[in-house]
Amino acid sequence: EIVMTQSPATLSVSPGERATLSCRASQSVSSNLGWYQQKPGQAPRLLIYGASTRATGIPARFSGSGSVTEFTLTISSLQSEDFAVYYCQQYNNWPLTFGQGTKLEIK
Amino acid sequence: EVQLVESGGGLVKPGGSLRLSCAASGFTFTNAWMSWVRQAPGKGLEWVGRIKSKTDGGTTDYTAPVKGRFTISRDDSKNTVYLQMNSLKTEDTAVYYCSSGGDYWGQGTLVTVSS
Repeated sequence: EIVMTQSPATLSVSPGERATLSCRASQSVSSNLGWYQQKPGQAPRLLIYGASTRATGIPARFSGSGSVTEFTLTISSLQSEDFAVYYCQQYNNWPLTFGQGTKLEIK
Repeated sequence: EVQLVESGGGLVKPGGSLRLSCAASGFTFTNAWMSWVRQAPGKGLEWVGRIKSKTDGGTTDYTAPVKGRFTISRDDSKNTVYLQMNSLKTEDTAVYYCSSGGDYWGQGTLVTVSS
């Protein structure tokens, strides 16, 4: 099973600033990596797939990069609605696996 | 508009069974690989299993903790995917989401396994 490790566990950032979230895979997942946003009481929402392609309707302030084992989600200018938990997820191998999540909180 | 609506959650005793349903609309269900993902209270996401489209073989895959106990099936005539859960354990307590390939998600249904 591929283990996905996200860092940091919690990130405190002020609105308008940039946030950078990291995700590392225990072995290569190529570019088969997605990022999800989840708010309390809601289902996850797909933000990025293929490591860097924004899903339909996702604002341009969200960007993904990386390949193989190292990935980054960047939110260029944080809006109030962006404070949530973010998960990376690999779909290169079964079982599909998620990272443990990064909680993005208001500083 | 794409909609996924789960139902069938509830309280069940350890060792019991439950069947979840997920009714889909707004996309071509017959072509979709459908998944179940769960989230224990206050915890992260865990991919439970998936079923491929019949065109792609209709086969299923499961994560190790549920293999042999959970079964995913689909009825393309009803645009519905099912999760049959047997021999339930307290650690199966979670919100269960169905998802179409990760793009679209239902609102989730809570399964509580407790005596």
